[in-house]
Amino acid sequence: GAVVSQHPSRVICKSGTSVKIECRSLDFQATTMFWYRQFPKKSLMLMATSNEGSKATYEQGVEKDKFLINHASLTLSTLTVTSAHPEDSSFYICSARVVGRTSGISSSYNEQFFGPGTRLTVL
Amino acid sequence: AQSVAQPEDQVNVAEGNPLTVKCTYSVSGNPYLFWYVQYPNRGLQFLLKYITGDNLVKGSYGFEAEFNKSQTSFHLKKPSALVSDSALYFCAVRVHGSSNTGKLIFGQGTTLQVKP
Repeated sequence: GAVVSQHPSRVICKSGTSVKIECRSLDFQATTMFWYRQFPKKSLMLMATSNEGSKATYEQGVEKDKFLINHASLTLSTLTVTSAHPEDSSFYICSARVVGRTSGISSSYNEQFFGPGTRLTVL
Repeated sequence: AQSVAQPEDQVNVAEGNPLTVKCTYSVSGNPYLFWYVQYPNRGLQFLLKYITGDNLVKGSYGFEAEFNKSQTSFHLKKPSALVSDSALYFCAVRVHGSSNTGKLIFGQGTTLQVKP
């Protein structure tokens, strides 16, 4: 249980285009999902907290118009990198938070489970 | 301010030897502490957590961690390292507060290199 998927796993795009990354909780419902950015051999930087049915909460210094987050259902959050530039190239990781006890993951109350990440390369 | 520190960028150990990856924290209130492992081009995998109870926490793949309140530490340990343990390890603490959303604060990561 508690599997989180991301799609695509890898994307290469031209500068100026927009890229959408999906994060799905496959076997549980997640009212909260998180989006992180990771530079090579560096720690994870939290970009925003995505709440189902409401606006995302962005961390200081993260441009909300640049990184659009939508959390339309309890199992899906999307991150859209708008007008991508080479400096947006990075590894983007999402996580989904389990709230309450869910079948198969009874010890996972209030934990985060991470997706496999999406490697974005902007040319 | 709440924070997590991993003082070592890299830890090198020979296969079969014990390993320790250090983590110290600074939080208000009782800490919820986590260890995650990341293999190249992969997301984070949960290893273990400390919420309350026994200070020695056992986790996945033979790893364990000891919560030490007086030293504000939560070091990750394994009695006998494997080459396959080579990866990037992150310590994290859950943010507390009235607006708690379950946010995690991560340490800067420690690369573990196990040599045959």
